Amino acid sequence: DIQMTQSPSTLSASVGDRVTITCRASQTIRAWLAWYQQKPGQAPKLLIYKASNLESGVPSRFSGSGSGTEFTLTISGLQPDDFATYYCQQYESYSPSTFGQGTKVEIK
Amino acid sequence: QVQLQESGPGLVKPSETLSLTCTVSGGSISGYYWSWIRQPPGKGLEWIGYIYYIGNTKYNPSLQSRVTISVDMSKNQFSLKLTSVTAADTAVYYCARQASGIDYWGHGTLVAVSS
Repeated sequence: DIQMTQSPSTLSASVGDRVTITCRASQTIRAWLAWYQQKPGQAPKLLIYKASNLESGVPSRFSGSGSGTEFTLTISGLQPDDFATYYCQQYESYSPSTFGQGTKVEIK
Repeated sequence: QVQLQESGPGLVKPSETLSLTCTVSGGSISGYYWSWIRQPPGKGLEWIGYIYYIGNTKYNPSLQSRVTISVDMSKNQFSLKLTSVTAADTAVYYCARQASGIDYWGHGTLVAVSS
């Protein structure tokens, strides 16, 4: 099974900062990776699919990159609404899907 | 606009079976994978499994012996059964549509396992 290692687990940042979150897969997942944002009491929201594709309606300050085993989510110019927990998910067809452990983005 | 709604008991006794149903509205079940995901209080997301609309399933290996996901296309619903539950199965359970990424989620329903 494919394990996803997400880092850091917590990140303290200020409004306007550029923030990067990393996910590493234990085996290649090609580009079958998604990123989600979750706020307390809410279901997760899809931000990025297939590693680098921005979901409709998601602000362009969010971007994703990577392929194979190493992926990043970047928020360019952190906004107050972006303080939340972020998860990666691999959905490679040959394996059960798995989520990363999550990264909580906190106000510095 | 596709909407998903979980329904089922909010309290299940230890060793019994947790049963949830997800009703899909605003779109058809055909052509997609339909997933269950759970989140224990204060913890991260755990993928439980999915079913393709024609009935193919894939499950989390750690839960596979206890999980069954089924689909009822006539009702535009899919369901989750988790047997022999313990307190560790207490979580918010989400149903969701897996396209490229999970693009639609239910609001989630809290299921507590307690006697």
